[in-house]
Amino acid sequence: GAGVSQTPSNKVTEKGKYVELRCDPISGHTALYWYRQSLGQGPEFLIYFQGTGAADDSGLPNDRFFAVRPEGSVSTLKIQRTERGDSAVYLCASSLNGGDRSTQYFGPGTRLTVL
Amino acid sequence: GENVEQHPSTLSVQEGDSAVIKCTYSDSASNYFPWYKQELGKRPQLIIDIRSNVGEKKDQRIAVTLNKTAKHFSLHITETQPEDSAVYFCAAFKKLGNEKLTFGTGTRLTIIP
Repeated sequence: GAGVSQTPSNKVTEKGKYVELRCDPISGHTALYWYRQSLGQGPEFLIYFQGTGAADDSGLPNDRFFAVRPEGSVSTLKIQRTERGDSAVYLCASSLNGGDRSTQYFGPGTRLTVL
Repeated sequence: GENVEQHPSTLSVQEGDSAVIKCTYSDSASNYFPWYKQELGKRPQLIIDIRSNVGEKKDQRIAVTLNKTAKHFSLHITETQPEDSAVYFCAAFKKLGNEKLTFGTGTRLTIIP
């Protein structure tokens, strides 16, 4: 079956602009996670959705970052007033039920470059 | 919160030899430990995982060991092949509380033909 997909694969924007990054999880997966991966680092947790609700948003760095999952499937990560430090690969992952019994499957990521 | 340390950051081994990557974690409540392989420009892919009620798990050439008392776990790859070259990440997950994986900083493994 289809894996986790993310669009766009690459996004170049100017400092101060607004961007939206999209994640399509594996069909039927209730848990969805966003991570950010900087060059040479491991993925860093941003936010976790269980269904439509954000169960844990403790990883969002500041209030410029926001994510939604209105129908419990597709999720959008929104970044306002982008800064050069936001440049990274944004990874999305989904798992069947969340928790420690469900493997997290990752998407290919969106490479965000803020000029 | 959880802190995961991973060593070494780079590792080169001769084809056919074994490779070992080690991780330590700080939160004794963590109970699930996956390992991901990430090739250049690709997504992280799960290669093996272990839960805290098990001390060792093996899948063909790959094995993982867990020492709960010492709070460390290791990845062992035997009979290494060129296609094993990639960056490997360990991670820790805590069932109660934070529903997230905390990753190590990665090990770049290079297999020398």
